[in-house]
Amino acid sequence: KAGVTQTPRYLIKTRGQQVTLSCSPISGHRSVSWYQQTPGQGLQFLFEYFSETQRNKGNFPGRFSGRQFSNSRSEMNVSTLELGDSALYLCASRVGANVLTFGAGSRLTVL
Amino acid sequence: QKEVEQDPGPLSVPEGAIVSLNCTYSNSAFQYFMWYRQYSRKGPELLMYTYSSGNKEDGRFTAQVDKSSKYISLFIRDSQPSDSATYLCAMSAGGGADGLTFGKGTHLIIQP
Repeated sequence: KAGVTQTPRYLIKTRGQQVTLSCSPISGHRSVSWYQQTPGQGLQFLFEYFSETQRNKGNFPGRFSGRQFSNSRSEMNVSTLELGDSALYLCASRVGANVLTFGAGSRLTVL
Repeated sequence: QKEVEQDPGPLSVPEGAIVSLNCTYSNSAFQYFMWYRQYSRKGPELLMYTYSSGNKEDGRFTAQVDKSSKYISLFIRDSQPSDSATYLCAMSAGGGADGLTFGKGTHLIIQP
């Protein structure tokens, strides 16, 4: 059974640009959540989607957005990139309470 | 004060030792407690999942939750070099839609 797939794995952007990250959940999982991981703040919840609807959002500015498609695949977008947005962005899918399966992440570097 | 406190380490122990990893938290609403292991350049993988207080054992791993003290622990018996990784505690009040609150992780090194 394939795991959670995130693309791209690595990317470099410059300040002011925008970025789109993609996540394909485990087959049959309808819930997808996104987390940001940095050395200073650790893992922080960004948002969760279920059946194409955002169910919850963490404490991040409006530059961070996401969406989910009918096949449960999800994308997140960060606009007007700042240096502090450099991080590992992790996607997780779940079926059932709290049991998240994470992908390997997309490592974003903002120069 | 952060909601979840976890010593970042590094914690270095010899192979075969018993490892104790801990987290404290401040939000009494937390009911679900998890431990994740994260290897370098990989995503976190779930090791242990516990609801409310008590102990849970799975092979060499034992998770303990003491809600009265707001303290959770993960014990690793007969530690192996392959256990070297970052261990993250995580918790939530509800079923997952509100997101998990993570500790910053403890970097564990098992010396051969």
